[in-house]
Amino acid sequence: DAGVIQSPRHEVTEMGQEVTLRCKPISGHNSLFWYRQTMMRGLELLIYFNNNVPIDDSGMPEDRFSAKMPNASFSTLKIQPSEPRDSAVYFCASSPLRRTGELFFGEGSRLTVL
Amino acid sequence: SQQGEEDPQALSIQEGENATMNCSYKTSINNLQWYRQNSGRGLVHLILIRSNEREKHSGRLRVTLDTSKKSSSLLITASRAADTASYFCAPLIQGAQKLVFGQGTRLTINP
Repeated sequence: DAGVIQSPRHEVTEMGQEVTLRCKPISGHNSLFWYRQTMMRGLELLIYFNNNVPIDDSGMPEDRFSAKMPNASFSTLKIQPSEPRDSAVYFCASSPLRRTGELFFGEGSRLTVL
Repeated sequence: SQQGEEDPQALSIQEGENATMNCSYKTSINNLQWYRQNSGRGLVHLILIRSNEREKHSGRLRVTLDTSKKSSSLLITASRAADTASYFCAPLIQGAQKLVFGQGTRLTINP
């Protein structure tokens, strides 16, 4: 079975540019999570969706960040405009909507903003 | 805080030895999960222990849970070089769906 698929795996961009990260969750999973990982702050939860509906976006750092889930098989995380402090590895994870909460992570998108 | 706090932050042992990592949390939980992250990779779910369980085994992994002390431990027996990774605990708080991760324990197995 295919796992969670993220693209791109690596992105290098210049400050001020728009960045779009993409995620395809595991088929049949109803919940999708976006995390960001840095050395300084560790793994931070940005936002999560249940059945394509955003449930908790309290971790989104500021208005420059937005996330969408137009259907059950696709989600995007957009940063506009990007800043050097956004440099991090962004992970997408999906989970079946049941009470155990086990997460299946993608391999991440490493973003470098110059 | 909804996250688990792992201890120690870093652990270095010789191949073949046992590795023990600890986790503490602050509120009532439904379950507690342990994840592994190899360098440059995503997190991988290792084992889940429910709040009404005290111990669970999976291969060379042994997890214990003490809800009275709000703590858990992960034991890896007969460690191998391939066990070198960061390990995270994640308590699933009662009534919540999201997992909040701590800084993890960085485990190094020396050949």
